[in-house]
Amino acid sequence: QPQLQESGPGLVKPSETLSLTCTVSGGSISSSNYYWGWIRQPPGKGLEWIGNIYYSGSSFYNPSLEGRVTISVDTSKNQFSLRVSSVTAADTALYYCARWDYASENYYSFDSWGQGTLVTVSS
Amino acid sequence: QSALTQPPSASGSPGQSVTIACAGTSSDVGRYNYVSWYQQHPGKAPKLLIYEVSQRPSGVPDRFSGSKSGNTASLTVSGLQADDEGDYYCSSYAGSSNFAVFGGGTKLTVL
Repeated sequence: QPQLQESGPGLVKPSETLSLTCTVSGGSISSSNYYWGWIRQPPGKGLEWIGNIYYSGSSFYNPSLEGRVTISVDTSKNQFSLRVSSVTAADTALYYCARWDYASENYYSFDSWGQGTLVTVSS
Repeated sequence: QSALTQPPSASGSPGQSVTIACAGTSSDVGRYNYVSWYQQHPGKAPKLLIYEVSQRPSGVPDRFSGSKSGNTASLTVSGLQADDEGDYYCSSYAGSSNFAVFGGGTKLTVL
């Protein structure tokens, strides 16, 4: 299993853009068997899928967030990134990056997760 | 409001079995055999327990089992152990526009 590590600012001001990066080690982000995704969890609440990206750059987003979310991939650095624009307090959450198994063993599930990073939206 | 519906809590004594239901719709759970279950201990990232309704990843004990009937999926934990306490989330694939819809989570307590 690869290791995934989120990084980025822990505090973002309202109306600004939240930016996070996930670095993958112990495996190639260019594998054709996987998508790479972002999931968030507001404090004390459940999980919400944000979006997934393939190494080719093909991306899919949660309809409820589409328009504010962009996920990109940098295969040369084995990283993928998340941007959420026009943030409000409702975007305060623990943000996880994870691997989505598309065609390997654990079909259509998130089988490897980062430890998560807390992002607080506050002025 | 979560797309999938789970009971907020469940409990059982050590050694007993407990089943957690996950109600979806004909657009997600009922349409695809891509239901997965995750276990989350406090302060930790979720861990995959079940994929494709009833398949266990390598390393997950066979005390954990999954099933589906119609629009409802279920996770059964047999032989409850203290370490099984935590939050459990179901998830379903719902098409390319919605890779993963999650349930609201169920807090499992081992009495």
